[in-house]
Amino acid sequence: GAGVSQSPSNKVTEKGKDVELRCDPISGHTALYWYRQSLGQGLEFLIYFQGNSAPDKSGLPSDRFSAERTGGSVSTLTIQRTQQEDSAVYLCASSWGVQQPQHFGDGTRLSIL
Amino acid sequence: KNEVEQSPQNLTAQEGEFITINCSYSVGISALHWLQQHPGGGIVSLFMLSSGKKKHGRLIATINIQEKHSSLHITASHPRDSAVYICAVRTGGFKTIFGAGTRLFVKA
Repeated sequence: GAGVSQSPSNKVTEKGKDVELRCDPISGHTALYWYRQSLGQGLEFLIYFQGNSAPDKSGLPSDRFSAERTGGSVSTLTIQRTQQEDSAVYLCASSWGVQQPQHFGDGTRLSIL
Repeated sequence: KNEVEQSPQNLTAQEGEFITINCSYSVGISALHWLQQHPGGGIVSLFMLSSGKKKHGRLIATINIQEKHSSLHITASHPRDSAVYICAVRTGGFKTIFGAGTRLFVKA
């Protein structure tokens, strides 16, 4: 079946613009995660959704970052007033539940000029 | 000190060698993941452990909860095993903390 799908695969934008990144999880997966990987850096947790529960936003680096998940399926990560330090690969993962292995998308490579 | 430490950072092996990658953590966890990231970025989940040992093909993962340590072993290594191997722990909440990764290169 289809894996986790992320779009766009690449995004180049100017500093100060808003960007929206999309994640389509595997159908039926109730848990959805957002991570980012900056150049030469390790993976960093951003936010976690589980079913209809309130999301765990503890990893969001600033109030410019927000995410939502509509209908328990598709998720969007929004970055407002982008800064150069926001340049990274943003990865989405989903799983059947919090105790299950995560399936990763190919990521969105975001470049802020 | 990072909450999740991996060693070694880089590892070069000859095809056929037995490989061990280590992960130590300092926080309470509910589960530990081993991930594989190939050049080009795709990430694959290899194992998720909360106790004991798991085996899949030539890969074996073990965890010792008391010692807060996990190992990933690769038997009969092959050049296609060349990748970055990442240890990640899930804390009592939902937050995941990642190690810096071990870059493995297997020479033919």
